[in-house]
Amino acid sequence: QQQVKQSPQSLIVQKGGISIINCAYENTAFDYFPWYQQFPGKGPALLIAIRPDVSEKKEGRFTISFNKSAKQFSLHIMDSQPGDSATYFCAWSSYDKVIFGPGTSLSVIP
Amino acid sequence: EAGVVQSPRYKIIEKKQPVAFWCNPISGHNTLYWYRQNLGQGPELLIRYENEEAVDDSQLPKDRFSAERLKGVDSTLKIQPAELGDSAVYLCASSPGLAGVNSYEQYFGPGTRLTVT
Repeated sequence: QQQVKQSPQSLIVQKGGISIINCAYENTAFDYFPWYQQFPGKGPALLIAIRPDVSEKKEGRFTISFNKSAKQFSLHIMDSQPGDSATYFCAWSSYDKVIFGPGTSLSVIP
Repeated sequence: EAGVVQSPRYKIIEKKQPVAFWCNPISGHNTLYWYRQNLGQGPELLIRYENEEAVDDSQLPKDRFSAERLKGVDSTLKIQPAELGDSAVYLCASSPGLAGVNSYEQYFGPGTRLTVT
């Protein structure tokens, strides 16, 4: 069964700083690598996703970088804001399922 | 457009009691998922429906868990009897297309937090 490893488990960043979350996967068969954001009491919400043939994708302050040879991908949140404080899950998506990482709890302090 | 609706939001039961969760997906979404999310972990798939057919229930503990999706719309997940280890958040999600097309585009409900005492 595919597993997704994620680090760090928790992260504290000052407002305006860059938040970086890293993930690693195992299998080579894949479709997309999505990221989800979850606020307390809410379900996860799709944030951004990248295809394996793309090395980087940017949407606003959120950027995914993908390193196929290292089997790693990361999320960068530029100019982090207190409203970004949430749990972030990287995931591996095949044609019929999504495997979630364990999550990173991000706290952005003023 | 209304999102995925789940009820109840919270449920506290004693062990060995039955419990049921209800999910109403986004209108027109063919695929429905039930996930279990333990504290501090990512969601784990329990069962996936395409319309009214359960196409992946390999991770559903069938000795105590059951699910149904009548008429390919609403779905119910049941646990009978509940055990202490079942305490978790049960999430329902739906996606617009059949599996094979952007399966990561899932829309989650707020979940039901189950506490078994």
